[in-house]
Amino acid sequence: DAKTTQPPSMDCAEGRAANLPCNHSTISGNEYVYWYRQIHSQGPQYIIHGLKNNETNEMASLIITEDRKSSTLILPHATLRDTAVYYCIVRGSNYKLTFGKGTLLTVNP
Amino acid sequence: SQTIHQWPATLVQPVGSPLSLECTVEGTSNPNLYWYRQAAGRGLQLLFYSVGIGQISSEVPQNLSASRPQDRQFILSSKKLLLSDSGFYLCAWSVHQSVDQPQHFGDGTRLSIL
Repeated sequence: DAKTTQPPSMDCAEGRAANLPCNHSTISGNEYVYWYRQIHSQGPQYIIHGLKNNETNEMASLIITEDRKSSTLILPHATLRDTAVYYCIVRGSNYKLTFGKGTLLTVNP
Repeated sequence: SQTIHQWPATLVQPVGSPLSLECTVEGTSNPNLYWYRQAAGRGLQLLFYSVGIGQISSEVPQNLSASRPQDRQFILSSKKLLLSDSGFYLCAWSVHQSVDQPQHFGDGTRLSIL
């Protein structure tokens, strides 16, 4: 599976959009991009995933560049409860999710 | 809707004692099931996965074993715990044999070995 690169930490003001970047320059054609988050002492929570097209659900939007080498997770109106470690994962045709170190997003009041 | 249950939430065990962690899923049939471990300060590591009753694949050779006695039940076991078995154990499920579908995690068991 392709390796991902994320900034170690980001800050966001409450009520503003949080834009979390992820680089996956070695992604191959059949690999999906997944985003999870983990709040301290809890299991990872699935947020969204996509292959080529941009995706949106009730939690977030996923923007994937045309060359698929990077993506951005957008939380449109961040709240204090969105403070968590966010993981960008690229996975192909196997069952293993490989979690890196992720981005610690801190939402400030 | 689907739910996943893990218990116990926390566990303290002496070195050399046995282990049994249980995970059950509700609201879906024949799910894929997974056991992950998260050691302190490290990422999640896939330990075992199962695509059906009695079918277990091991990702990492170790002191642990897994079993799937029923469709929606997944058990993680050890005959003799080691200090290195300490960690946060997470069970997850996904739609049967659909590799692109996301995995959904339980709340985990925090295991401390003394």
